[in-house]
Amino acid sequence: DSGVTQTPKHLITATGQRVTLRCSPRSGDLSVYWYQQSLDQGLQFLIQYYNGEERAKGNILERFSAQQFPDLHSELNLSSLELGDSALYFCASSFRTSGAQETQYFGPGTRLLVL
Amino acid sequence: ILNVEQSPQSLHVQEGDSTNFTCSFPSSNFYALHWYRWETAKSPEALFVMTLNGDEKKKGRISATLNTKEGYSYLYIKGSQPEDSATYLCAWRMDSNYQLIWGAGTKLIIKP
Repeated sequence: DSGVTQTPKHLITATGQRVTLRCSPRSGDLSVYWYQQSLDQGLQFLIQYYNGEERAKGNILERFSAQQFPDLHSELNLSSLELGDSALYFCASSFRTSGAQETQYFGPGTRLLVL
Repeated sequence: ILNVEQSPQSLHVQEGDSTNFTCSFPSSNFYALHWYRWETAKSPEALFVMTLNGDEKKKGRISATLNTKEGYSYLYIKGSQPEDSATYLCAWRMDSNYQLIWGAGTKLIIKP
């Protein structure tokens, strides 16, 4: 158990809908990262927050947005969902935002299925 | 283009055999190289973080080496066991202000 929690574990929804994925980082970690893993693809970095501020942006679609709250939990909002958004969404956390030794600790993931 | 490549994509190894696979990254800039292990139905777990050219890290039967000048890292597994079956991911960081760039992984299957 990494100490990172994600809810829900599974989500089934329809095209055009909007969903919110939630992540609570490990106690004491200030950075939260969101990743997408589609079928037969590697981990795609979406976005990173550090202590409430957006720190880095990867291949995140405009239909997706995220935020990190004062209690450091983070939410990833996916809107106007398409079939291709079906994927496993991971959240990871680390203490800082950078540093060579900075290990990311991954949550169990949310599996999203768009029908 | 900042690209991290892992080879092979997948690997079938007989139980008890040793194996190794490669992570290649741009050699022009280097800050750190991470290895993660990702078992099916679980989430990725950190194995090693490597920062210096010539670094060697070891955890049980798993070890890794790093060559930053030529831009590659090897992961070795000695005497493979069924519990070693997983996808092994590497991730490269080019400097302290940049996020990790992830490889697509090597899927290792150990045949009993």
